[in-house]
Amino acid sequence: QVQLQESGPGLVKPSETLSLTCTVSGASVSIGNSYWTWIRQPPGQGLEWIGYIHYSGSTNYNPSLKSRVTISLDTSRNQFSLKLSSVTAADTAVYYCARVGYSGYYYFDYWGLGTLVTVSS
Amino acid sequence: DIQMTQSPSSLSASVGDRVTITCRASQSISIYLNWYQQKPGKAPKFLIYAASRLQSGVPSRFSGSGSGTDFTLTISSVQPEDFATYYCQQSDSTPYTFGQGTRLQIK
Repeated sequence: QVQLQESGPGLVKPSETLSLTCTVSGASVSIGNSYWTWIRQPPGQGLEWIGYIHYSGSTNYNPSLKSRVTISLDTSRNQFSLKLSSVTAADTAVYYCARVGYSGYYYFDYWGLGTLVTVSS
Repeated sequence: DIQMTQSPSSLSASVGDRVTITCRASQSISIYLNWYQQKPGKAPKFLIYAASRLQSGVPSRFSGSGSGTDFTLTISSVQPEDFATYYCQQSDSTPYTFGQGTRLQIK
């Protein structure tokens, strides 16, 4: 069974960088043609796709966040990470990591529990 | 970006009712449409992909249909555990986008 778990600070100051890590078990982040993604959900609101990373290291980011986002892989630890720079209160959200599944069509099939990150001084 | 619009935003139903939620894309996405269920304080759960294909383990009372720009999620007989918020999501092109959600409440 694939499991994902987010970790990182729950409180970040405005203008600083948000850093989260997703630890994967039951699957390898470096297996052929696998994609791993970050999605966020502001309190009481809907879901926003942040971006994904391919096992090769190639990335694809939401243009609305592209200038501030970096997603990276750590194959030795079977983890992938999110960095979001210059945060503001608008970045306060529950952040989810997920696997991008593929059966001819892409979907988010396994999700972490989510971690709330609050941006506040 | 492809905009996804769900309707209604919320609806009330009784156990045993048949419920339909609609999702409309701002441009044709063929059948690149997924559905998720989210309960309060929980991560979304993947239900349906390719507009109509049930993920393994999802009860058969859930079904999806549609292609192009118009899609539906139907619950044939709502059960107590189905009261939740449902989201559609397009995987036709990045940035992947979600509908705003439909909250299914108990009548």
